[in-house]
Amino acid sequence: ETGVTQSPTHLIKTRGQQVTLRCSSQSGHNTVSWYQQALGQGPQFIFQYYREEENGRGNFPPRFSGLQFPNYSSELNVNALELDDSALYLCASSLEAGEQFFGPGTRLTVL
Amino acid sequence: GENVEQHPSTLSVQEGDSAVIKCTYSDSASNYFPWYKQELGKRPQLIIDIRSNVGEKKDQRIAVTLNKTAKHFSLHITETQPEDSAVYFCAASMGGGSEKLVFGKGTKLTVNP
Repeated sequence: ETGVTQSPTHLIKTRGQQVTLRCSSQSGHNTVSWYQQALGQGPQFIFQYYREEENGRGNFPPRFSGLQFPNYSSELNVNALELDDSALYLCASSLEAGEQFFGPGTRLTVL
Repeated sequence: GENVEQHPSTLSVQEGDSAVIKCTYSDSASNYFPWYKQELGKRPQLIIDIRSNVGEKKDQRIAVTLNKTAKHFSLHITETQPEDSAVYFCAASMGGGSEKLVFGKGTKLTVNP
C-alpha cells in the first residue's frame, strides 16, 4: 500500500451542501492531484497542486476548489453539491514529474 | 480536448492464457503512459508505466508497448492467474507533463480458473 491517506472514507450529504475532503501525501512528495471517479468509469482529473499553487485544472466548475498546505497535504472543497457529484474522490501524490500514487479515496453520496 | 480510448471494455480469458488491452490517445505531446489495476472497492495501483523515449517495457508477466507515431499503447499480461482479475485503466499525460493524467474508461479482466 502507498503512504497516501484520505479522510473521511465515506460521506453522505444533501444537495446544496458543502463538503471538504482531505488528503495526506506520501512522505517526500510535493504534488497532489485530485480525481473524480464515477461508478464504472475511469478517474477524471479535477486539478493539481504543486508546492501550494494550483498547477492545472480539468473540466470542472469553480465550485470545485482546493488547497495545498506547507506540509503538502491537500483539501478538496465542493460547494453547492449536486446529485451528479456522487462519486469516489481520489487523490494521488507524486514527486514532481514522477509516478502518481493513489490514496484509498472518499466515497461521496449526495442525496 | 485530450482523450484516451480503451478497448475492450470487458475481457474474459482462461487461466494461463495471455490478455491484451489497447489504448489510443489524442494529445501528441503526451509523454508518459501508466497502467493501473483497480480491484473492487480499492484504490488504483500502478502496475507498469512507460515514457515516450522507450518503445517497450517489461516487468515479469506484464509488458507495455508504445507506438508514438500511431498514438497507441498496449498492456500485455502473460500466463494470467485468477488474481489478475480486476479493472485495468490506461492513462496518458496531458500537455507534456507526467502529473496530469487522462484515463481510459477501463477494462474489466476476468481470469477463469
